[in-house]
Amino acid sequence: RKEVEQDPGPFNVPEGATVAFNCTYSNSASQSFFWYRQDCRKEPKLLMSVYSSGNEDGRFTAQLNRASQYISLLIRDSKLSDSATYLCVVNMRPGANNLFFGTGTRLTVIP
Amino acid sequence: EPEVTQTPSHQVTQMGQEVILRCVPISNHLYFYWYRQILGQKVEFLVSFYNNEISEKSEIFDDQFSVERPDGSNFTLKIRSTKLEDSAMYFCASTVIQGARGEQYFGPGTRLTVT
Repeated sequence: RKEVEQDPGPFNVPEGATVAFNCTYSNSASQSFFWYRQDCRKEPKLLMSVYSSGNEDGRFTAQLNRASQYISLLIRDSKLSDSATYLCVVNMRPGANNLFFGTGTRLTVIP
Repeated sequence: EPEVTQTPSHQVTQMGQEVILRCVPISNHLYFYWYRQILGQKVEFLVSFYNNEISEKSEIFDDQFSVERPDGSNFTLKIRSTKLEDSAMYFCASTVIQGARGEQYFGPGTRLTVT
């Protein structure tokens, strides 16, 4: 099983749509979870951390289900500028710092 | 807003040559990292560095790789004898704390092309 697994997409959605991405991770001892976005040939940019209680930042909502080892990202009211690859990222080992990245889910928001 | 910077943005080198990639982490950050991303693939961890020593490294980070913090601001990745398969984007990252709340911030990357 891959350490961090995501549906690669692509997801093509119209402006204003709601879209959800899912991610699973292999290590139940994983400590911290993040969503990054990556534009073509650019660096990963931190979108949000994912907390056990779930968290929201504007149009973005992240959820964590530790029992199922599952993380989600919901984007409401999609904008053209949301077009990017969304990376699910996990810090898998207590005390460690190295991040494990999923392959990313490509989103294109269509006018 | 403080950010991680990297130089050069693009480096072309011949197989067997040494390259040094440079990074300036965010000034109050204490933990530094190198990652790489081969075109079309996922981002992969190479090495983490804290208190002037390597704290963790991946299987990719073999004897051909080394890291150094030569002064109070720079953090470098050296590849001693480059191979074709070293062609990738190399990202530097830094964080102020380690562990569960250590959000890592990435530099813009250096695209390394080995010919």
